[in-house]
Amino acid sequence: AQSVTQLDSHVSVSEGTPVLLRCNYSSSYSPSLFWYVQHPNKGLQLLLKYTSAATLVKGINGFEAEFKKSETSFHLTKPSAHMSDAAEYFCVVSDDPGANNLFFGTGTRLTVIP
Amino acid sequence: DAGITQSPRHKVTETGTPVTLRCHQTENHRYMYWYRQDPGHGLRLIHYSYGVKDTDKGEVSDGYSVSRSKTEDFLLTLESATSSQTSVYFCAITDTKREPYNEQFFGPGTRLTVL
Repeated sequence: AQSVTQLDSHVSVSEGTPVLLRCNYSSSYSPSLFWYVQHPNKGLQLLLKYTSAATLVKGINGFEAEFKKSETSFHLTKPSAHMSDAAEYFCVVSDDPGANNLFFGTGTRLTVIP
Repeated sequence: DAGITQSPRHKVTETGTPVTLRCHQTENHRYMYWYRQDPGHGLRLIHYSYGVKDTDKGEVSDGYSVSRSKTEDFLLTLESATSSQTSVYFCAITDTKREPYNEQFFGPGTRLTVL
């Protein structure tokens, strides 16, 4: 069975400092992993995805994530936070490409302090 | 945005009334999903469809039904709305045409309030 744990419900950083949003997953198969972002009162937008091609995945807006199988982690990072990064972030797993069902973490709200 | 629209975008209704939400897509995707989003829960799958007249239950299907009579439309019905169904509802499709073949794209959401 697959599941996702986002270790922090809320992260607060100062503008210009690094961002780290943590995600651990469990999966019976070789998983596909995603990070989605949701800005206030908006829909969900894909930030990046891991599909087994490379363990370090680069996404939009300077975000990246590293797949670590030994740690079952897929943490999201950004070197320097921008005010526009303030949003909710969801880590998502799908462990069977044929199943097409995604399992969402409960989300991490990122606050950026000017 | 994968050509996904949802209607209505906002709705306020009373307990016990039926409500139908519509998801429409223009790119002939086979797989469609309905999720609800609640604080502290992320998104939870209600029902999904893998083709016309083919649907299945998700994690939180009680109190909901769906129908898919055409590829482009996926309807979510609350037969008798309850206050616990106050939520934001998102429709999604899976793009099976490109790797990883299970990436989902989301509609803009419907905010439903049941009084």
